[in-house]
Amino acid sequence: QSALTQPASVSGSPGQSITISCTGTSSDVGSYNLVSWYQQHPGKAPKLMIYEGSKRPSGVSNRFSGSKSGNTASLTISGLQAEDEADYYCCSYAGSSTLFGGGTKLTVL
Amino acid sequence: QLQLQESGPGLVKPSETLSLTCTVSGGSISSSSYYWGWIRQPPGKGLEWIGSIYYSGSTYYNPSLKSRVTISVDTSKNQFSLKLSSVTAADTAVYYCARIVGANESLDYWGQGTLVTVSS
Repeated sequence: QSALTQPASVSGSPGQSITISCTGTSSDVGSYNLVSWYQQHPGKAPKLMIYEGSKRPSGVSNRFSGSKSGNTASLTISGLQAEDEADYYCCSYAGSSTLFGGGTKLTVL
Repeated sequence: QLQLQESGPGLVKPSETLSLTCTVSGGSISSSSYYWGWIRQPPGKGLEWIGSIYYSGSTYYNPSLKSRVTISVDTSKNQFSLKLSSVTAADTAVYYCARIVGANESLDYWGQGTLVTVSS
């Protein structure tokens, strides 16, 4: 089992939108609608932002949205704000195991 | 409000066994809707799933760590535990415990994490 593939870094200016991709295989992302996304600020525990590919937990801004096509899931953040600067990780169920992506550092310029 | 708290030694010698406990408060570890997991993060690196356990004792392990990992649950204490044997410097990481929603496999509550350093 290999980690899911994410870009190492993305950046955007305040107010803009960015998208982070998460590529897996037909054994994980492609087989299950069970992709979740986590935000992690330095020194903090990860926070659940998206589950089941596109659903937001209570309290998470609607500026965060998720989608999936084939073996690739995506996280889009619209109306970028300074507080969105963090590391983002995707995660997928893979049949009796779980895989994380390598993480993407989002820089708000 | 559910809370999870990791506890255990912060320093472990090479070849020894790392042991951590996660104490769950504000909710029952015996709920059939959830299960409980361990995740680690080496300094400056990404997250790695270690394994998970149901209150019944059913376990699921990362294949790459399976030969060295044991996860157990103590429902009477509302705790679950991690043991990782034959540790090396590569096992130095922040170790997190988390609650996993059974219906959608998301990790909705996390502990604050505890740094375990493997060094002589």
